[in-house]
Amino acid sequence: GDSVTQKQGQVTLSEDDFLFINCTYSTTTYPTLLWYVQYLGQGPQLLLKVTTANNKGISRGFEATYDKGTTSFHLQKASVQESDSAVYFCALVNNMGYKLTFGTGTSLLVDP
Amino acid sequence: DPKIIQKPKYLVAVTGSEKILICEQYLGHNAMYWYRQSAKKPLEFMFSYSYQKLMDNQTASSRFQPQSSKKNHLDLQITALKPDDSATYFCASSQDGNNNQAPLFGEGTRLSVL
Repeated sequence: GDSVTQKQGQVTLSEDDFLFINCTYSTTTYPTLLWYVQYLGQGPQLLLKVTTANNKGISRGFEATYDKGTTSFHLQKASVQESDSAVYFCALVNNMGYKLTFGTGTSLLVDP
Repeated sequence: DPKIIQKPKYLVAVTGSEKILICEQYLGHNAMYWYRQSAKKPLEFMFSYSYQKLMDNQTASSRFQPQSSKKNHLDLQITALKPDDSATYFCASSQDGNNNQAPLFGEGTRLSVL
């Protein structure tokens, strides 16, 4: 079945640091890949979405590139702010187009 | 204003009891879903409804029953509650139940079973 792996459970950075969150996936199809962000006490919010057609997603300074060769979908941001502190989830949409499979999440803490 | 309303936000129940988690969406979406987030597992897909019909059920236990009385409602009834059911339950919706749409999530109902 589908699976998504996020090896980093927690990342701590200072403001203006570069962010890199690793995500790899396994599936038998070419999925749509997503990053969601979850702030404390809230539900997951879509951060960006990438399909096989566009390969790269950019939103609010975050970007992720769909790499079929390495089956990866890493999230990056050039300069993080304290307000970026949250949990980031990588996810893929199944081949039926509706079911999300999530990674375990990466908790980002940005010190001011 | 939140477009997906989940009630209650917090819920405490005793083992063996029954509870209903409410979800309403005001986005005009035709597909609705339930996901569960517990401390030890990633967000897990539970159910998918499209045009008020069950499309997919990934929940092993029949104690979890979705109920759709209206197009924009998808409640979740849980019977014979167990401590392992303690989790945050998220309702989500998308325009249709296909086409790789990214669902929008509500703020969740945090259930604690004692």
